[in-house]
Amino acid sequence: SQQGEEDPQALSIQEGENATMNCSYKTSINNLQWYRQNSGRGLVHLILIRSNEREKHSGRLRVTLDTSKKSSSLLITASRAADTASYFCATELYGNNRLAFGKGNQVVVIP
Amino acid sequence: ETGVTQTPRHLVMGMTNKKSLKCEQHLGHNAMYWYKQSAKKPLELMFVYSLEERVENNSVPSRFSPECPNSSHLFLHLHTLQPEDSALYLCASSQDRVGSYEQYFGPGTRLTVT
Repeated sequence: SQQGEEDPQALSIQEGENATMNCSYKTSINNLQWYRQNSGRGLVHLILIRSNEREKHSGRLRVTLDTSKKSSSLLITASRAADTASYFCATELYGNNRLAFGKGNQVVVIP
Repeated sequence: ETGVTQTPRHLVMGMTNKKSLKCEQHLGHNAMYWYKQSAKKPLELMFVYSLEERVENNSVPSRFSPECPNSSHLFLHLHTLQPEDSALYLCASSQDRVGSYEQYFGPGTRLTVT
């Protein structure tokens, strides 16, 4: 299937550590987006990276995109307890414009 | 918050009931979406509206009926649902359907079908 597959699916880290999660996909994309979801709430957009971009930053977030490997990574630096959430990658398919979401990656930051 | 509101936040309904979910966006966006989120499954896109016209219907059973009376409001009418329809229903909007735009999500309606 096209939707992104996040890895690892669950991650538990100490506050202050960095958290890295990966996303892989299968076909050509226009862009890849990362979203965060706190328990039982809606998704919040974090970063959008276009297919011709390799890296983007936003505050403590760093996203990379490798279209040759069809993969992306999200790095959260100096994690905080408030970063505890599920993180989803979503790919906007080339020629389709719809977003295909992965199952999500549960991150727990221990104070 | 995100500028997208949903009501009710929680809904319990029997299989023979009829209910409606409401979504409202205050962002001036042209596209609106309904998603279904079930445990341990990827987010499922149900319907897409662009400028009040339904442009996508992803093989959703007819017991789910969307309505978009104007570009700010989106409804999901529910009737004779099944227990497997219990899920978190998320509404989202984006500037336009075409182009690289992020989506803004509402808080969701937690639906339980008994």
